[in-house]
Amino acid sequence: QVQLQESGPGLVKPSQTLSLTCTVSGGSISSRPYYWNWIRQHPGKGLEWIGYIHYSGSTYYNPSLKSRVTISADTSENQFSLKLTSVAAADTAVYYCASDSSGRREWFDSWGLGTLVTVSS
Amino acid sequence: SYELTQPPSLSVSPGQTASITCSADKLGNKYTSWYQQKPGQSPVLVIYQDKKRPSGIPERFSGSNSGNTATLTISGTQAIDEADYYCQAWDDYSAGGYVFGTGTKVTVL
Repeated sequence: QVQLQESGPGLVKPSQTLSLTCTVSGGSISSRPYYWNWIRQHPGKGLEWIGYIHYSGSTYYNPSLKSRVTISADTSENQFSLKLTSVAAADTAVYYCASDSSGRREWFDSWGLGTLVTVSS
Repeated sequence: SYELTQPPSLSVSPGQTASITCSADKLGNKYTSWYQQKPGQSPVLVIYQDKKRPSGIPERFSGSNSGNTATLTISGTQAIDEADYYCQAWDDYSAGGYVFGTGTKVTVL
């Protein structure tokens, strides 16, 4: 199993852009058949899928966030990243990166530890 | 959008069986996965493809999926099983992507 670790600012001001990076070890983000995902969890709430980047480079986003989300990959660094624009307090959450090795968009078998991002002025 | 509905909470005595349901339209036509999340920790995959266990997951965890309901069963529940549990599926009906259930808090007492 791969290992994932999130990194990025823990505090973002309202209306700014949230940027996080997930560093992958134990495998290449270019390896089939992986889907590389971002998932968030609001404090005390359930899990919300944000989007993925496929090993091929294709992306797919949650329709409710699609207008504000971009996920990209840096194969040279074996990382993938999340950008969420125009953030508000409602974007305060723990953000996880996770991998799906099923090749069929079926399950998340490896998760990062998560990073808390607070949106506040 | 496609919604997966779980009971908010469930209490079970040690050694007894806990059954957690996940309901949605025609869910039995999809593969469902289940995750365990303990406080302050990342979710852990405990069941995939409705009934398969990843390596390292105890045999007391089992799953099924038919009709409109998927079920995670914990047999001989132990205190260490106290956690939040989430079901998950891929929504190809409304192009919603991966969807998670609303979550069930299992209390062992």
